[in-house]
Amino acid sequence: AQSVTQLDSQVPVFEEAPVELRCNYSSSVSVYLFWYVQYPNQGLQLLLKYLSGSTLVKGINGFEAEFNKSQTSFHLRKPSVHISDTAEYFCAVNPKAAGNKLTFGGGTRVLVKP
Amino acid sequence: KAGVTQTPRYLIKTRGQQVTLSCSPISGHRSVSWYQQTPGQGLQFLFEYFSETQRNKGNFPGRFSGRQFSNSRSEMNVSTLELGDSALYLCASSLIAGGTDTQYFGPGTRLTVL
Repeated sequence: AQSVTQLDSQVPVFEEAPVELRCNYSSSVSVYLFWYVQYPNQGLQLLLKYLSGSTLVKGINGFEAEFNKSQTSFHLRKPSVHISDTAEYFCAVNPKAAGNKLTFGGGTRVLVKP
Repeated sequence: KAGVTQTPRYLIKTRGQQVTLSCSPISGHRSVSWYQQTPGQGLQFLFEYFSETQRNKGNFPGRFSGRQFSNSRSEMNVSTLELGDSALYLCASSLIAGGTDTQYFGPGTRLTVL
């Protein structure tokens, strides 16, 4: 079984400041890792994913994440946020060789202030 | 290319009734997954269909069921509705079902059970 913990439920941040969203996971099998964003009244949109290879992954909208196997973490960062980044962010894992079966964290709500 | 579409977008039912939600995947996508999103439990995996076969199932009671048609469109059904079934139901599609492919989410169907 898998579990995902997002350590911060809410993160307020000023416009143009950096932001880091923390994600830790637990799994008895190897997993793929994902970050999704959900804007109000919309579905989820993929920001980035880690499948293998380089542990630093770059995604859309200037986001990047680093996979740390020893700490079972996959933290998301953006060096400078915009008002439009206000949204809820979800970390998720999918076991390898098991089809599509995402386990999500509880989400982190990011509020960007002017 | 059109995105994932879900119908209806909003639904109000009463306890004990049953409901059917529909999902049309992106053209060419063969995998369809369903997720339930609630404020209390967050995002939870319901089931995944690939080529008309259920490949994965989450931990939901038998009242929740689904199916996929030969054109990859999918439906999910909830029988004997309970108040706790009120949620946003999200559908996601992907080309394949290996866990590596990007899942594209629809806007969801918001179900309210009175």
